[in-house]
Amino acid sequence: QKEVEQDPGPLSVPEGAIVSLNCTYSNSAFQYFMWYRQYSRKGPELLMYTYSSGNKEDGRFTAQVDKSSKYISLFIRDSQPSDSATYLCAMKIQAGTALIFGKGTTLSVSS
Amino acid sequence: DADVTQTPRNRITKTGKRIMLECSQTKGHDRMYWYRQDPGLGLRLIYYSFDVKDINKGEISDGYSVSRQAQAKFSLSLESAIPNQTALYFCATSDPDRVDNQPQHFGDGTRLSIL
Repeated sequence: QKEVEQDPGPLSVPEGAIVSLNCTYSNSAFQYFMWYRQYSRKGPELLMYTYSSGNKEDGRFTAQVDKSSKYISLFIRDSQPSDSATYLCAMKIQAGTALIFGKGTTLSVSS
Repeated sequence: DADVTQTPRNRITKTGKRIMLECSQTKGHDRMYWYRQDPGLGLRLIYYSFDVKDINKGEISDGYSVSRQAQAKFSLSLESAIPNQTALYFCATSDPDRVDNQPQHFGDGTRLSIL
């Protein structure tokens, strides 16, 4: 079992839909959780960061961490065609240690 | 200009050749990283450097070496390239003053094909 599991998709939704992207993990020591967005032919860009459990909201994006279930989510409200990208979850145990990435989920939002 | 610049953007070469991928940054960050991305495997850490005198192996360092020539420059070398090193390579930087200091700023990648 890989440390971080992420369904690669692809996930296709119409414009305006609410999107839910998820990752599960096996190592209960993970404390830092991130979501990156990667457009085609570009490097990943940090979208959201959460420490430990809880929710974090930034505009149309909400990141949730449920450490009891070892499950993290990214919600996108009112999805736009510009949200079409690959979304990577990543996590690590503590500051200074390596990030472990999921494989990424490809999202397509149609207008 | 991009904050993290990788050269070349694309490279095709033959098995056994020595390859160097270069990364330069204008962020002023001390911490730099090299990752490779493969379909179905995600991003994996090859090497990282927390300052000019500090080099650390990542998850998959075998077959690779790095050089931190200056704060702004971090190069990745494949001494004798093999086909399974065909991948998309990313350089990244992070700000150690942030409490989380995870990689934040990625270059646009080097697509390397080894025949």
